[in-house]
Amino acid sequence: KQEVTQIPAALSVPEGENLVLNCSFTDSAIYNLQWFRQDPGKGLTSLLLIQSSQREQTSGRLNASLDKSSGRSTLYIAASQPGDSATYLCAVRGASKIIFGSGTRLSIRP
Amino acid sequence: GAVVSQHPSRVICKSGTSVKIECRSLDFQATTMFWYRQFPKKSLMLMATSNEGSKATYEQGVEKDKFLINHASLTLSTLTVTSAHPEDSSFYICSARAPVGQETQYFGPGTRLLVL
Repeated sequence: KQEVTQIPAALSVPEGENLVLNCSFTDSAIYNLQWFRQDPGKGLTSLLLIQSSQREQTSGRLNASLDKSSGRSTLYIAASQPGDSATYLCAVRGASKIIFGSGTRLSIRP
Repeated sequence: GAVVSQHPSRVICKSGTSVKIECRSLDFQATTMFWYRQFPKKSLMLMATSNEGSKATYEQGVEKDKFLINHASLTLSTLTVTSAHPEDSSFYICSARAPVGQETQYFGPGTRLLVL
């Protein structure tokens, strides 16, 4: 049974810092891994999707990596801004379903 | 990218009433849709997989008589919370799988249900 874990559960950093969010999963047989952003009371915003055959994806200040063999993914945010404050969820797609991590609540201090 | 809509975005109802939530894929046909539930400050939990033209597959612990799912067409799935109780208050999100050959799921904006 796939389990997805995100560490840390919460993170607070000053504006401008680079930071890394971690996601680990127990079953390496995945189709893809996706990082989402969720603002309070809102739905999901897809940030980056990494196919199982890929190692990383980049979009602007965001870079996501995937190491299937070790069951890990990281989301790197460069030059953080207060607007980056949100909860970040990783989701792993298996053969039939998507399993979400519990999320990292990120707060960027001005 | 593909768009998935949900209606209503927010609903408040009295205990004992039933509430229907719609999930639509606006610009593609989705043979499979998924329903998720999210409690405050918790992650999304898959409730059921909805296949067009057949019965939904429910995850363990989800009452199928409580949460009725109907995938009436290739662009519409509905979730009906029957005889709602305050503990059913939650954020419900649907997603739709893109056509065969694509592995991406597109997520709706969610519906916040508050049962008084």
